[in-house]
Amino acid sequence: NAGVMQNPRHLVRRRGQEARLRCSPMKGHSHVYWYRQLPEEGLKFMVYLQKENIIDESGMPKERFSAEFPKEGPSILRIQQVVRGDSAAYFCASSRQGTGELFFGEGSRLTVL
Amino acid sequence: DAKTTQPPSMDCAEGRAANLPCNHSTISGNEYVYWYRQIHSQGPQYIIHGLKNNETNEMASLIITEDRKSSTLILPHATLRDTAVYYCIVRPFAPNNAGNMLTFGGGTRLMVKP
Repeated sequence: NAGVMQNPRHLVRRRGQEARLRCSPMKGHSHVYWYRQLPEEGLKFMVYLQKENIIDESGMPKERFSAEFPKEGPSILRIQQVVRGDSAAYFCASSRQGTGELFFGEGSRLTVL
Repeated sequence: DAKTTQPPSMDCAEGRAANLPCNHSTISGNEYVYWYRQIHSQGPQYIIHGLKNNETNEMASLIITEDRKSSTLILPHATLRDTAVYYCIVRPFAPNNAGNMLTFGGGTRLMVKP
C-alpha cells in the first residue's frame, strides 16, 4: 500500500518562473493538506482540500499560490512567478476521514535561484 | 496562540526510555492530544493520539494526566533512529473543518546519544 507520493522531490526554478508540485494521496484517502517548511523553521499549514473542493485556505499567501484537487488525478500546488522567499520544503499529507491522523509524503524541495 | 508548551530540546541515552513532556493547560473537553515526529528533512510521522486514557502502540506510550493539562510521550527504548523533532498537538478529533487544522509548534528536538 503506497504512501503519499510527492513529485518532484527536488525542483529548481529561476525567479519569475512557475512551480507545480504534485501530490497523490494514499489509496482510499480523499482529504489532502499542504504544509510549507522554510529552512530552519517549523511546518506551516497552507491549504486543506477534498475532492474538487477547497475547505480551508487560510494559510495560503494571497497572491501567486493556488491549489487544486481534481476529481481525477493528483492534488497540485501551483506557485506562479516564484521568488527566492518561496524556497522551502512543501509537504503534502492525506487522511481518510479528515481527522487528525495525517500521513505525510517526503516533501518537494523547491529552490529558487 | 500556542496551545501546547514543550521543552525545545532533550537528550537521551541510547537504550533508555525517552520521556517527552507537553503542557496543554487550556485543552478543551473535545480536544485530543496528538504526537508527531519529524526525522531530519523527512515528512512528519504520526506517532499516537489520546483523549484521557493512556494509550500504547508499537511506537510509543502516551500518558495523559487526570486533569488532562499535560501529557508525556514515552519511547521505551530509544535508539539513534529516534533522534527527531517531536511535536505535541491538541485539536478536536472531529473531522476537519475550516480553521481546525493540525498546527505544528516548535516541538522538542530529541537527541539520542550512544
